[in-house]
Amino acid sequence: EPEVTQTPSHQVTQMGQEVILRCVPISNHLYFYWYRQILGQKVEFLVSFYNNEISEKSEIFDDQFSVERPDGSNFTLKIRSTKLEDSAMYFCASETSADESSTDTQYFGPGTRLTVL
Amino acid sequence: QKEVEQNSGPLSVPEGAIASLNCTYSDRGSQSFFWYRQYSGKSPELIMSIYSNGDKEDGRFTAQLNKASQYVSLLIRDSQPSDSATYLCAAYSNSGYALNFGKGTSLLVTP
Repeated sequence: EPEVTQTPSHQVTQMGQEVILRCVPISNHLYFYWYRQILGQKVEFLVSFYNNEISEKSEIFDDQFSVERPDGSNFTLKIRSTKLEDSAMYFCASETSADESSTDTQYFGPGTRLTVL
Repeated sequence: QKEVEQNSGPLSVPEGAIASLNCTYSDRGSQSFFWYRQYSGKSPELIMSIYSNGDKEDGRFTAQLNKASQYVSLLIRDSQPSDSATYLCAAYSNSGYALNFGKGTSLLVTP
């Protein structure tokens, strides 16, 4: 069964460093998402991406964050200058269609645990 | 801010019993609702989606939606210890892109 994959599974970085989190969405999916979950808190939406552009972003997704689909398979989240509060699990998700009336749903990858020291 | 609310629990049920998980949402415009299961340290795993008022059954799971009351529930029949996890309720935002999640209800099924 196709699945979303993410690398690395765990990333440790120093405050102020740049990190890139990588995702390979399910191959026939068109919509891509990043979410984060701070330990003990709820899953929070960061950004959605379709047709090589951001379709929606949350207040969390400030200028420190960027997303890119550099080739036909990878989808990346870059944090330019990490802060302590960026420590969280980051989940990538993908979906065939964002049509709310469809039966398509978002499927999540296993996550990358980011630890900022 | 459109919210999805869940009782954090923990909800404890004996093995074989029915577990009932509840969720309310504030955005009357929400049309699509989802239940995800999340084991500790793992990613959300889709259990069920529901779009229409009424019940939707899939194996041991039944989702119920009442749009007038802005209420979604998940029933798990014949609960097993392996069902012990956090159950996340989610609804699409107005844009149809972002999923708004509740904080989740922790379920413990005791042997």
